Amino acid sequence: SQQGEEDPQALSIQEGENATMNCSYKTSINNLQWYRQNSGRGLVHLNLIRSNEREKHSGRLRVTLDTSKKSSSLLITASRAADTASYFCATAPLNKFYFGSGTKLNVKP
Amino acid sequence: GAVVSQHPSRVICKSGTSVKIECRSLDFQATTMFWYRQFPKKSLMLMATSNEGSKATYEQGVEKDKFLINHASLTLSTLTVTSAHPEDSSFYICSASPGGQADVEQYFGPGTRLTVT
Repeated sequence: SQQGEEDPQALSIQEGENATMNCSYKTSINNLQWYRQNSGRGLVHLNLIRSNEREKHSGRLRVTLDTSKKSSSLLITASRAADTASYFCATAPLNKFYFGSGTKLNVKP
Repeated sequence: GAVVSQHPSRVICKSGTSVKIECRSLDFQATTMFWYRQFPKKSLMLMATSNEGSKATYEQGVEKDKFLINHASLTLSTLTVTSAHPEDSSFYICSASPGGQADVEQYFGPGTRLTVT
């Protein structure tokens, strides 16, 4: 990808389980964002974590950021079938917007 | 929240023809919009940064004569795929934010699926 890698590339879990997705990026950042994309659709913003923050919670979502390792994680707790989608991290170095490679999450009912 | 629209949502064209895709910010002004391309099961690749009233900035490897970008107003950017070929078939998405900054929440259009036959 243009900015970094995400792992795993694909994740399949049962409903109710937690899903953790990791993102690594290449350059210094002011913040890191997470987006969700349902198949063949546009993207929906999930969370923005600033470079001076280490963790943010929003409902069932927990985002962490480790700037020393240039990495972030997205945790979805108590997953639901409706969480099935692709998840991307994104950063904006030099006023451009780049996405990670993405994780395709499948939550089985 | 802010809304970005794209038109058309789907287009099929013949090889050699040109196709124009519109990206509009419906309830805010955007001095900057971003255009992406997405292949099946892949991530979004930034193609270019569209700047209102000035030339677009293209990413390395993106042909500016192939993908013409015009940002003539604060609410409209267009991407024209010129002399389209089957390898140009892809999902094209735009994004924008109020104020035009990159490191804030981006609002995405629903995408345009281009198929070149």
